[in-house]
Amino acid sequence: DAGVIQSPRHEVTEMGQEVTLRCKPISGHNSLFWYRQTMMRGLELLIYFNNNVPIDDSGMPEDRFSAKMPNASFSTLKIQPSEPRDSAVYFCASSRPGTDGYTFGSGTRLTVV
Amino acid sequence: AQSVTQPDIHITVSEGASLELRCNYSYGATPYLFWYVQSPGQGLQLLLKYFSGDTLVQGIKGFEAEFKRSQSSFNLRKPSVHWSDAAEYFCAVGTFQKLVFGTGTRLLVSP
Repeated sequence: DAGVIQSPRHEVTEMGQEVTLRCKPISGHNSLFWYRQTMMRGLELLIYFNNNVPIDDSGMPEDRFSAKMPNASFSTLKIQPSEPRDSAVYFCASSRPGTDGYTFGSGTRLTVV
Repeated sequence: AQSVTQPDIHITVSEGASLELRCNYSYGATPYLFWYVQSPGQGLQLLLKYFSGDTLVQGIKGFEAEFKRSQSSFNLRKPSVHWSDAAEYFCAVGTFQKLVFGTGTRLLVSP
């Protein structure tokens, strides 16, 4: 079991550029979550999917953020255009009912300059 | 609305001393409760969880937590802290479909 795989680990981009973060959940997990972690706001749930369908995107900060899950093994979080205040660590997590809670990826540290 | 409070932002403990990290929650029913640990530059690792049954749960790395319904608390404990336990600890409450995390407690371990 390779765990939840996120890429890239680090991303530095200029303001206004499009950023795409990627996540591969654990095989067999049917729920996927995107979190953002900052010093000021802690861990915030951005969106989660169940069986590839977005269930709750109320945490997505604004229309510049979008997330997709085209199949059970892949999800993306896109920011277009990026802004310096989007700088944070973005975590992906996956789970399945009745087991051990969420399994988190190692995160993507995004810096927008 | 569900919420989690971790009242201690930082805690410093001497190596070998006991540890208790506090967590209080607000939830409409008996929730699922979790403790996660995050080392610098890493993701969150599950320490332990409570779903139902015995209110004292054992986790990895020698940690345990006790669910107290009357106090809406789920405090994390360890009898003897090791230097490698220095990290940030997060309490979380909710369901498998939506977890709310506390703001975390940073544990520092002094020699």
